Amino acid sequence: SSELTQDPAVSVALGQTVRITCQGDSLTTYYASWYQQKPGQAPLLVIYGKTNRPSGIPDRFSGSTSGNTASLTITGTQAEDEADYYCYSRDSSATHWVFGGGTKLTVL
Amino acid sequence: EGQLVESGGGLVHPGGSRRLSCSASGFAFDSYVMHWVRQAPGKGLEYVSAISTDGLKTYYADSVKGRFSISRDNSNNTLFLQMSSLRPEDTAVYFCVKDFDARCTIATCFTRWRAFDIWGQGTVVAVSS
Repeated sequence: SSELTQDPAVSVALGQTVRITCQGDSLTTYYASWYQQKPGQAPLLVIYGKTNRPSGIPDRFSGSTSGNTASLTITGTQAEDEADYYCYSRDSSATHWVFGGGTKLTVL
Repeated sequence: EGQLVESGGGLVHPGGSRRLSCSASGFAFDSYVMHWVRQAPGKGLEYVSAISTDGLKTYYADSVKGRFSISRDNSNNTLFLQMSSLRPEDTAVYFCVKDFDARCTIATCFTRWRAFDIWGQGTVVAVSS
């Protein structure tokens, strides 16, 4: 089991805003990085650090943290954003790095 | 832009061994900690192993400790994962992954985050009789 907890599934209407969350004790100290994975593809880094986007990632993707919860927000969700999203950060002991269980985003 | 290409996957009998390779290009391979991450069919991402830039320090998830061995050949820009005593639960796509930040060691990136900016396409290992 993962020490970073994500909702298994989230849905959003096309063009609307969605927030995907990741909960864990370590997130009061560490930031999460976020990965998008489409079927049959390798994961893609979309957010790292406090709220940094790699080159080529649209600015509709943003990250934030409040307390023990990190969030990935997609503003104006597009059909191509439908994917699985994973957070990654320290475990609660701050010894190991772990992935969250993943969230399947459906765009309606 | 950097690229990682894995190879070596295939069908293996339980108890068997397999060696995965990952060929790197487009970045200074010897400057980055490298990792293996796997994904079982229909499941999430699982962190497997890491190796320091000089190859002298390694890390393994508890699920593979004592059975898997990570290594690297900096002269040929290649990462390896030697897998032995394979079990059906090791069936997965195995991804070779690069750290975002060259300052990272296995233990820390000296920041409050860690990220992987380049992933290979993955190689499939199926453990079945």
